[in-house]
Amino acid sequence: NAGVMQNPRHLVRRRGQEARLRCSPMKGHSHVYWYRQLPEEGLKFMVYLQKENIIDESGMPKERFSAEFPKEGPSILRIQQVVRGDSAAYFCASSGRAANTGELFFGEGSRLTVL
Amino acid sequence: GENVEQHPSTLSVQEGDSAVIKCTYSDSASNYFPWYKQELGKRPQLIIDIRSNVGEKKDQRIAVTLNKTAKHFSLHITETQPEDSAVYFCAFQTGANNLFFGTGTRLTVIP
Repeated sequence: NAGVMQNPRHLVRRRGQEARLRCSPMKGHSHVYWYRQLPEEGLKFMVYLQKENIIDESGMPKERFSAEFPKEGPSILRIQQVVRGDSAAYFCASSGRAANTGELFFGEGSRLTVL
Repeated sequence: GENVEQHPSTLSVQEGDSAVIKCTYSDSASNYFPWYKQELGKRPQLIIDIRSNVGEKKDQRIAVTLNKTAKHFSLHITETQPEDSAVYFCAFQTGANNLFFGTGTRLTVIP
């Protein structure tokens, strides 16, 4: 059973470009969470999705950021018009149940660098 | 908003000594409290968790205690080893069924 798969592992973008980060949850998992981690800092919650639904996006910046988890295919975190402050590691996690009833399994992260 | 305070931010111990990390949370409705370990450049991984119907849980050298009245919980690592060196994150579940994480504690075990 493959774990949570994230790609790309490393992404370099220039200011103003778009970044798309993909996350395939573990097989059978329908709950997906995205977290952002700045260097030497903690994990900041961004968004929680179930298939085709955004459950909680209270941690998402109001502009430029969006997330989806379609019926088929991976979850996508999209950052439009990137700025240097978006440089961070973005971790995806999945669970077969809601977070309070089951372990979250993390991917290896996608490291975004904005030049 | 949801908040969890984690202390200390860095901790150095001699090999064989114990390490204790403490967290205080804000949401009194929380009932699930996991701890994650993140080695340098790696993904966070669950090491132990506790639910609000128990006050303490042990797994070999690792234990977690929970005080719901005071809204704090702690991670205890005994007989520390160099491979315990990592960043440790506490977390708590919110009413929206997601997890909020603490700011992390960088533990260094000195051989």
